[in-house]
Amino acid sequence: NAGVMQNPRHLVRRRGQEARLRCSPMKGHSHVYWYRQLPEEGLKFMVYLQKENIIDESGMPKERFSAEFPKEGPSILRIQQVVRGDSAAYFCASSREIRNTEAFFGQGTRLTVV
Amino acid sequence: QQQVKQSPQSLIVQKGGISIINCAYENTAFDYFPWYQQFPGKGPALLIAIRPDVSEKKEGRFTISFNKSAKQFSLHIMDSQPGDSATYFCAARHTGNQFYFGTGTSLTVIP
Repeated sequence: NAGVMQNPRHLVRRRGQEARLRCSPMKGHSHVYWYRQLPEEGLKFMVYLQKENIIDESGMPKERFSAEFPKEGPSILRIQQVVRGDSAAYFCASSREIRNTEAFFGQGTRLTVV
Repeated sequence: QQQVKQSPQSLIVQKGGISIINCAYENTAFDYFPWYQQFPGKGPALLIAIRPDVSEKKEGRFTISFNKSAKQFSLHIMDSQPGDSATYFCAARHTGNQFYFGTGTSLTVIP
């Protein structure tokens, strides 16, 4: 049973470009969470999705950021017109549908905006 | 607003000593409290977790103590080893399934 898979592991984008980060949850998991981690800081909640639904996006910046979790395929975190301040590690976690279960994290995507 | 407050920010412990990391929360809607361990360049890995109906949980050298009335919980690492050197995050899960994390504690265990 493969763990949470994120790709790419490292992503370099120039200012103004778009960044697409992918997350494939663990088998049997239908809940996905995205977090951002800045250097020397903790994990900041961004968005919580179930299949085809955004449950909570209270941590997402209002502009340029969007997330989806389609019926088929991975969850995508999309950042349009990236700026230097978007440089961070972005982690995805997944959990099963049943409540009271653990969330398992992927290895993260390290985005660098140059 | 930081939903889960974690301290200390960094901790240095001698090999064989006890490492103690503390967390506090306010939201009574939290119903599950995991601890994660993160090594540089890696994703956080679940270490141990507790539910609020239990006051203590022990797994090997790792123990969570939970004080529901004080809304505090802590991680104790007994017989700390250099391999335990990592960043530790406490977390709390809201009944709506969202997880909130502390700001992390960087633990260094000196040989």
